Amino acid sequence: AQTVTQSQPEMSVQEAETVTLSCTYDTSESDYYLFWYKQPPSRQMILVIRQEAYKQQNATENRFSVNFQKAAKSFSLKISDSQLGDAAMYFCAYSWGKLQFGAGTQVVVTP
Amino acid sequence: EAGVAQSPRYKIIEKRQSVAFWCNPISGHATLYWYQQILGQGPKLLIQFQNNGVVDDSQLPKDRFSAERLKGVDSTLKIQPAKLEDSAVYLCASSLGQIRGVVSETQYFGPGTRLLVL
Repeated sequence: AQTVTQSQPEMSVQEAETVTLSCTYDTSESDYYLFWYKQPPSRQMILVIRQEAYKQQNATENRFSVNFQKAAKSFSLKISDSQLGDAAMYFCAYSWGKLQFGAGTQVVVTP
Repeated sequence: EAGVAQSPRYKIIEKRQSVAFWCNPISGHATLYWYQQILGQGPKLLIQFQNNGVVDDSQLPKDRFSAERLKGVDSTLKIQPAKLEDSAVYLCASSLGQIRGVVSETQYFGPGTRLLVL
């Protein structure tokens, strides 16, 4: 069975600083997809970034980038130049036929 | 482009009552998903539709939960009778579809329905 582990329940970052969220997963598959979703207090899940496992290049979306280490089954998210609007719960998700989520990391942004 | 629509946004019921949620996916999206998200946890897939058919309902408590997707567009999720542990946010998501059995298309989520069972 595939599992997704986010070991940091909460991370705090100051505005304009950088924070990195960790995620590890377990799978025996070679072709799969990984996602980071953001969930603000409104509870709507918003896609932040996605990574195809067959691509070696790390995905980047503006201030958000990932460090994908396939052999280590690690998929961390880096938020650069943090803004107050980045405060939310962040979920790592693995997909191979079914999307499976981790428990989430709460990001707190302080002025 | 309109996003995934869900209604109602909030619902409070007493245990043993019934409740229904509605979802309208993004136009053209063949795959529709219902998730249950209990407070403090990540979403858990309840059921997945591909057009009219059910692809996966392995985690749907079929003794009390039911879902349908008539005409391959809108979907409803029903709980009857509700239990206290059904209190959660119910998220609907849609995607273009699956390729080679892998969810290669991104899932887009609706705003969710918050259910409180008293």
